Amino acid sequence: DVKVTQSSRYLVKRTGEKVFLECVQDMDHENMFWYRQDPGLGLRLIYFSYDVKMKEKGDIPEGYSVSREKKERFSLILESASTNQTSMYLCASSSPGRYNEQFFGPGTRLTVL
Amino acid sequence: AQSVTQLGSHVSVSEGALVLLRCNYSSSVPPYLFWYVQYPNQGLQLLLKYTSAATLVKGINGFEAEFKKSETSFHLTKPSAHMSDAAEYFCAVSAQDSSYKLIFGSGTRLLVRP
Repeated sequence: DVKVTQSSRYLVKRTGEKVFLECVQDMDHENMFWYRQDPGLGLRLIYFSYDVKMKEKGDIPEGYSVSREKKERFSLILESASTNQTSMYLCASSSPGRYNEQFFGPGTRLTVL
Repeated sequence: AQSVTQLGSHVSVSEGALVLLRCNYSSSVPPYLFWYVQYPNQGLQLLLKYTSAATLVKGINGFEAEFKKSETSFHLTKPSAHMSDAAEYFCAVSAQDSSYKLIFGSGTRLLVRP
C-alpha cells in the first residue's frame, strides 16, 4: 500500500513563528503536492513538485515556500505564520502514468494563535 | 479552463436510502475522473476512478459512478446508505496540461439520518 505520512496531526503555533510541515511517501513517487483545506473552499493547491529540487506554484502560494531535497520528502514552510494560515494541510503524491491518481496523507491541522 | 462542479454542499439521506452525489466537469479532451472520500479528521481516500475503460465504475464500500460524456457528468451513487457513509466527498478531474494536477470540486458533505 502507498503510504503518505505527515509529521504532525495537530500543531499549534504563534503568530510570527516559522513553521515546518513535513511529508514523506514510501512509493518512489515523482510528484508531490501540498494543499490547504478550509470549510466551503474545498482543496486549494499551494505548491507541487515533480522532481527533486523542482517546485511549481499552485493557486495560493503566497506566504508559503517548499523544499524537496530528497524524492520521498516534501516540506511546506510558513516563514512567518499568521492567523489566516490556520487550516488543515494535506500532502499528496502521485506517479506519472497512473492517470494522475493522488495518494493523500492524514493531514495536519494547524492552529496559529 | 477546466473545472469541477459539485451540486449541493450538503446532502442528507435516511439510512437505507439511495445516495446520489452530483458532479459535472468541463474538459475538452476525454478526462480521467475521480471520487475521493474524507472521513472526519482524516486525509482523502480514493473511492473510484474513471480512466476511459467502462463507463460504469465500481468502487469501494458499494459506491459506483457512471461517466456520461453527453452530460459531462460523473455522479456517485450507492443503493443503500449506511451510517458509516457519513463523510465529505470530493470529485476531481485530471488536469489536461502536463502538470499532473487534479482539479477538485468544492466537496459535498453527506449526512445519514438513522
